[in-house]
Amino acid sequence: SQTIHQWPATLVQPVGSPLSLECTVEGTSNPNLYWYRQAAGRGLQLLFYSVGIGQISSEVPQNLSASRPQDRQFILSSKKLLLSDSGFYLCAWRGGASYEQYFGPGTRLTVT
Amino acid sequence: GQQLNQSPQSMFIQEGEDVSMNCTSSSIFNTWLWYKQDPGEGPVLLIALYKAGELTSNGRLTAQFGITRKDSFLNISASIPSDVGIYFCAGRDQGAQKLVFGQGTRLTINP
Repeated sequence: SQTIHQWPATLVQPVGSPLSLECTVEGTSNPNLYWYRQAAGRGLQLLFYSVGIGQISSEVPQNLSASRPQDRQFILSSKKLLLSDSGFYLCAWRGGASYEQYFGPGTRLTVT
Repeated sequence: GQQLNQSPQSMFIQEGEDVSMNCTSSSIFNTWLWYKQDPGEGPVLLIALYKAGELTSNGRLTAQFGITRKDSFLNISASIPSDVGIYFCAGRDQGAQKLVFGQGTRLTINP
């Protein structure tokens, strides 16, 4: 069966520091991968998605970037965090002909 | 761009009551999905709908793909405390690689 992992689970970082969040998927090949951000009590905002290695589509221009160095690995990065980057970051995958997305456990980021 | 209007935004009900929520879109969708999110966790897929008029159940949950393809409904029968959480609808139009999400319905149950 397929499993999706995210780490770290929680992170507290000062303003201006770099960021790297990692997402990996097991049990599937060539998945579509997605990064979402969720503000407290709010809906899901799509940040990036990838249909293959090295292929990244950006949905919201901001100081975040994404990379997909391996088939089942998706990384969210920032060179300098802003206070507004705080939130709950969710990774999701979908595979094959299905359009169902499956979410990871999330990373709670607090920028201080 | 596409938008989903999900309502109600919040619900406060008594245990045992039935629940209904819906999503409407400004455009036609080919896929409707319903998710539930518990506090501090990722959303979990409840039901997927792929055909206009389709009615699908998952235990006490029933969802329908609207005939116009611009709306979807989720019903929960005989609510229990573990139904508490935020319910999201999501839609996809033909050829799209991404989903459009509603803003969520927060369900609170009084025992």
